[in-house]
Amino acid sequence: QKEVEQDPGPLSVPEGAIVSLNCTYSNSAFQYFMWYRQYSRKGPELLMYTYSSGNKEDGRFTAQVDKSSKYISLFIRDSQPSDSATYLCAGSNTGNQFYFGTGTSLTVIP
Amino acid sequence: GAVVSQHPSRVICKSGTSVKIECRSLDFQATTMFWYRQFPKQSLMLMATSNEGSKATYEQGVEKDKFLINHASLTLSTLTVTSAHPEDSSFYICSARETPNQPQHFGDGTRLSIL
Repeated sequence: QKEVEQDPGPLSVPEGAIVSLNCTYSNSAFQYFMWYRQYSRKGPELLMYTYSSGNKEDGRFTAQVDKSSKYISLFIRDSQPSDSATYLCAGSNTGNQFYFGTGTSLTVIP
Repeated sequence: GAVVSQHPSRVICKSGTSVKIECRSLDFQATTMFWYRQFPKQSLMLMATSNEGSKATYEQGVEKDKFLINHASLTLSTLTVTSAHPEDSSFYICSARETPNQPQHFGDGTRLSIL
């Protein structure tokens, strides 16, 4: 079983929609979680970094961690065509080594 | 802030050539740098972790004599793919972190193509 599982998609939504991206993880000791956005032929760009459970909001992005179900989510409000990218989730127990999901490909259609 | 620069962005070379990739943290001191390999539609595969001034720690299955990593300063790590062969063709990405528990910041990757 992989440490972090992520549906690869692809996911296609109309502009302005609310996007929900999700990952599950297997290690109950995970405390640190990250979401990255990766455009084609570029390195991942950090979007959100959270510790433990709960929500964290930054502009149109909200990261949510549910440790009881080992489920992490990223919500994008008012999605824009520029949000079209691959989104990677990652988790870690120590904050030292992170385990990445395979990424979800998102397309926002104008 | 937290900018990581990776160079070169693209390399095409003949089989048997050694290729060096540089990873620099531009506005912070990176005590730890990570090297990943990414295949199309697959997750980032951690190759090795390097701490400044120490030998790199390689993941299982990664040949340390094939992929030489040097982290001689707090702002620079290099990955040298020695005697590269077509199967080494891939997208190599580095990341850097200032302190433990801090997030990793990634470079833009190097696309290596071995003919």
